[in-house]
Amino acid sequence: EPEVTQTPSHQVTQMGQEVILRCVPISNHLYFYWYRQILGQKVEFLVSFYNNEISEKSEIFDDQFSVERPDGSNFTLKIRSTKLEDSAMYFCASSEGGTPYGYTFGSGTRLTVV
Amino acid sequence: SQQGEEDPQALSIQEGENATMNCSYKTSINNLQWYRQNSGRGLVHLILIRSNEREKHSGRLRVTLDTSKKSSSLLITASRAADTASYFCATVTSGTYKYIFGTGTRLKVLA
Repeated sequence: EPEVTQTPSHQVTQMGQEVILRCVPISNHLYFYWYRQILGQKVEFLVSFYNNEISEKSEIFDDQFSVERPDGSNFTLKIRSTKLEDSAMYFCASSEGGTPYGYTFGSGTRLTVV
Repeated sequence: SQQGEEDPQALSIQEGENATMNCSYKTSINNLQWYRQNSGRGLVHLILIRSNEREKHSGRLRVTLDTSKKSSSLLITASRAADTASYFCATVTSGTYKYIFGTGTRLKVLA
């Protein structure tokens, strides 16, 4: 069964450093998403991306965050200057035709900011 | 209650018993999904049910949707210790790309 692949599985970074989280969506999917889950809390929507642009973003997704699809296969989330409160599990997801089709999630990247 | 709120928050049952989890939401939805998450791990998609569907089955899982009551239930029959996990519902409304997740039900199945 096709999978969404995320790397790395765990990343530790110093506060103030930039991090890039990487995702390889399912190859025929057109819609891409990032979510995060702070430990013990809800899964929260960050951003959706379609046709090489952001289609929707949450209030969490401020100027410190950016997304990119640098080539035909990768989808990245960049956090420009990490804060302690950015520590969370970050999930990438993709879907074939938007939300009516449901998502496939990756297994997540655990980001720890120290 | 918040959009996509599950109850109970925690459930402990014996292996072989059935487990029922409920999800309530506030606004009209396009579809609803149920996910499982083992502690500290990724989200595993279980079932998607569309707003015009009332019931769906997948193996030992049965999901119902009552749009008039804005609620859904997930039934796991003949539970196993391996079913121990957190279960979340996630809803999406028309015209938006984002799913809103509930707070989850922590299921513990005792061997």
